[in-house]
Amino acid sequence: SQQGEEDPQALSIQEGENATMNCSYKTSINNLQWYRQNSGRGLVHLILIRSNEREKHSGRLRVTLDTSKKSSSLLITASRAADTASYFCATEGQGGSEKLVFGKGTKLTVNP
Amino acid sequence: SQTIHQWPATLVQPVGSPLSLECTVEGTSNPNLYWYRQAAGRGLQLLFYSVGIGQISSEVPQNLSASRPQDRQFILSSKKLLLSDSGFYLCAWSVRGFDNFEFRQPQHFGDGTRLSIL
Repeated sequence: SQQGEEDPQALSIQEGENATMNCSYKTSINNLQWYRQNSGRGLVHLILIRSNEREKHSGRLRVTLDTSKKSSSLLITASRAADTASYFCATEGQGGSEKLVFGKGTKLTVNP
Repeated sequence: SQTIHQWPATLVQPVGSPLSLECTVEGTSNPNLYWYRQAAGRGLQLLFYSVGIGQISSEVPQNLSASRPQDRQFILSSKKLLLSDSGFYLCAWSVRGFDNFEFRQPQHFGDGTRLSIL
């Protein structure tokens, strides 16, 4: 069953604007990860945030995690046309299974 | 540096035919290995994962099987393909985890195989 659910399913913005994607999950986690997928390609890891962390930054990316609400958000600032892709959150449950459960993704389109 | 190779990139097969997709990882030892399937416009469904040679865990009952004959080789197979097996198949690897989950590492994906069943 799907653990993470991204919101919105699709997002269209202009270059230079910020893009925010949200992810909700159902059970306790060890960590939450965000991945990016260009059309027809494999996934690329963006950020891993652990359950004891609240915020993490990487370049133009900012991820927050609220374990009390079982939710996370991915913010892309000053978006570029090259950011056009699908973005997925994935959760690793507690118990050390080393398996990830992926959401259905948010399709981001950045218009030049 | 570590690399992951998947082939073929695309495959068109008739219903009832066999399947063999191969994935190899270079530059690391004793990785965790994963097979996922992605339906069009959907998220990833974990099919199999392996923490060592000959150790395969199946996540979804289906007519697919997986094998790990060597440390860095992961093979997805089927004896008879169904129409519902169409999809985008992705292989991934990760560094074997430690008991301390704070050291968990992300997964790294291949470029996938687009499988069409006719």
